[in-house]
Amino acid sequence: EAGVAQSPRYKIIEKRQSVAFWCNPISGHATLYWYQQILGQGPKLLIQFQNNGVVDDSQLPKDRFSAERLKGVDSTLKIQPAKLEDSAVYLCASSLDSTYEQYFGPGTRLTVT
Amino acid sequence: EDKVVQSPLSLVVHEGDTVTLNCSYEVTNFRSLLWYKQEKKAPTFLFMLTSSGIEKKSGRLSSILDKKELFSILNITATQTGDSAVYLCAVEAGTGGFKTIFGAGTRLFVKA
Repeated sequence: EAGVAQSPRYKIIEKRQSVAFWCNPISGHATLYWYQQILGQGPKLLIQFQNNGVVDDSQLPKDRFSAERLKGVDSTLKIQPAKLEDSAVYLCASSLDSTYEQYFGPGTRLTVT
Repeated sequence: EDKVVQSPLSLVVHEGDTVTLNCSYEVTNFRSLLWYKQEKKAPTFLFMLTSSGIEKKSGRLSSILDKKELFSILNITATQTGDSAVYLCAVEAGTGGFKTIFGAGTRLFVKA
């Protein structure tokens, strides 16, 4: 069974630039999560999708972050414009539904200079 | 505000030692507690706990939940260098749609 795929793996941008991350969950998984993990901290949930609907986005900085899940499968997370404090690893995870354990992708390490 | 607190933040032991990692939580409408192991980037699932007092075991790892005292422990016996990792505790909670709150993790280093 293929795992959660994410791209790119690494990204370096200057502040005020835009960036987008892509996630392809495990086939058949209805729930998709985006997390931000700052060095030395646990992952922080940014947004949770159930199929293509948003379940929770209470910690998503909506003035600069946006996310969508196309047709309930792939998802993209965008930051526009980026700030220095956005430097982190962005993890995508999926689960069969919200009652099951999550499977994580390899993450995207973003550095904002 | 929902929170998950793990202790200790870091731990150094020798191979063969037994370690106990702690996770306490304060959340509204608890549903489950999960343990993950994070070696490089992607956390990998270890256990999901929903009921008090029922131990989950997988090889040298075991975990138990106390819903009255609002904590869980993760035990690793006969530690090996391959156990070196960050161990993350996460709690699923909420009303309507459940969300996942992670602790900061415990960084375990096992010396040969």
